[in-house]
Amino acid sequence: DAGVIQSPRHEVTEMGQEVTLRCKPISGHDYLFWYRQTMMRGLELLIYFNNNVPIDDSGMPEDRFSAKMPNASFSTLKIQPSEPRDSAVYFCASSLRVSNYGYTFGSGTRLTVV
Amino acid sequence: DAKTTQPPSMDCAEGRAANLPCNHSTISGNEYVYWYRQIHSQGPQYIIHGLKNNETNEMASLIITEDRKSSTLILPHATLRDTAVYYCIVRVAEGPITSGSRLTFGEGTQLTVNP
Repeated sequence: DAGVIQSPRHEVTEMGQEVTLRCKPISGHDYLFWYRQTMMRGLELLIYFNNNVPIDDSGMPEDRFSAKMPNASFSTLKIQPSEPRDSAVYFCASSLRVSNYGYTFGSGTRLTVV
Repeated sequence: DAKTTQPPSMDCAEGRAANLPCNHSTISGNEYVYWYRQIHSQGPQYIIHGLKNNETNEMASLIITEDRKSSTLILPHATLRDTAVYYCIVRVAEGPITSGSRLTFGEGTQLTVNP
């Protein structure tokens, strides 16, 4: 398995533009997580899905952020409109419910909003 | 999740053992101790986990005290590539993932392995 795949690796956009981050979890994993990492706040959980259904989105910072998981092999995190304070590294991770190995993380998307 | 306390930074000489401590005095009986690391610009990577017995795998050893209030991650022969932030996390590891079993990251320990 190629692991958790995120795209793009880097994204630079102008303030006010829509940004879409993509994630392909490990095949067979039934949980998917979106994290954000900044120097100030560290790694924060934004939202997670179980069997494609959002379970807890309490970490989503505001209505400008939305996440979807239309099928078991794909998820998106969208920011509309983007702001400079959204600049961060966004990680996607997946897990099995009964896995003893916790989560497998992707390589992240570094987002810069100018 | 139980709160964990780790030193912010540590240094280790290449080839020597790196011993990273973690305090988790409020850990519950059904919570496991997990260790992850994050090498610069990469996603966090699972290292090892345990409940109450000591554990060893190809990456590291985990020593958990008998009262389970603290643990130590041991990298037996540290290399330059082990330079990373190491996170100690306690979480429930069985059943559906809920608020008690999500991975919640603290600030971790920045381990620097020196040549």
